[in-house]
Amino acid sequence: DTEVTQTPKHLVMGMTNKKSLKCEQHMGHRAMYWYKQKAKKPPELMFVYSYEKLSINESVPSRFSPECPNSSLLNLHLHALQPEDSALYLCASSHGRGFTYNEQFFGPGTRLTVL
Amino acid sequence: DAKTTQPNSMESNEEEPVHLPCNHSTISGTDYIHWYRQLPSQGPEYVIHGLTSNVNNRMASLAIAEDRKSSTLILHRATLRDAAVYYCILRDRVSGTYKYIFGTGTRLKVLA
Repeated sequence: DTEVTQTPKHLVMGMTNKKSLKCEQHMGHRAMYWYKQKAKKPPELMFVYSYEKLSINESVPSRFSPECPNSSLLNLHLHALQPEDSALYLCASSHGRGFTYNEQFFGPGTRLTVL
Repeated sequence: DAKTTQPNSMESNEEEPVHLPCNHSTISGTDYIHWYRQLPSQGPEYVIHGLTSNVNNRMASLAIAEDRKSSTLILHRATLRDAAVYYCILRDRVSGTYKYIFGTGTRLKVLA
């Protein structure tokens, strides 16, 4: 299984809502990533988890809260978002430390619209 | 952060070769050059990577300049399914963890 799954595919939320994005992989990868992608722009890294610990936070606002409950799961909790947070949110995974090369496997993304 | 620059868009006829250039003049001596592509409505997918020597795989070839300040992704026979945004990527290391720095990408249009 070389697939990263993301749910939901689409999400519409109001600025006062709380919602969560979910990402799952069963490739035994120990590094997982959240990216944000605006239309016609490249993906921008938000967070990196390595061995279930947060290792990179790219100065992301606190209204985005990541969580890695185990090595297969990655969540992104959303609260009090702004309309400018509307974007495609991509999850990725890779082997992690100790490997010569770490190809990242990306999920299809969650299309988020904040009203 | 090391950065890459790519043309915004390119066109190719179907069944013809395509050469997608990338400049990375600030690349460090030990960093790999990575290429991913993003098909419409999908996440990026790995294409190829290399360090110094030219590389080939079933999807593409990667030609790396001798000074490593530029590289070219070569699709030998473009098909309609190759229409995508192609990203040239370098890595940066932060606290022992690697992160990708995506270039702006080249949108490839393949004409039937």
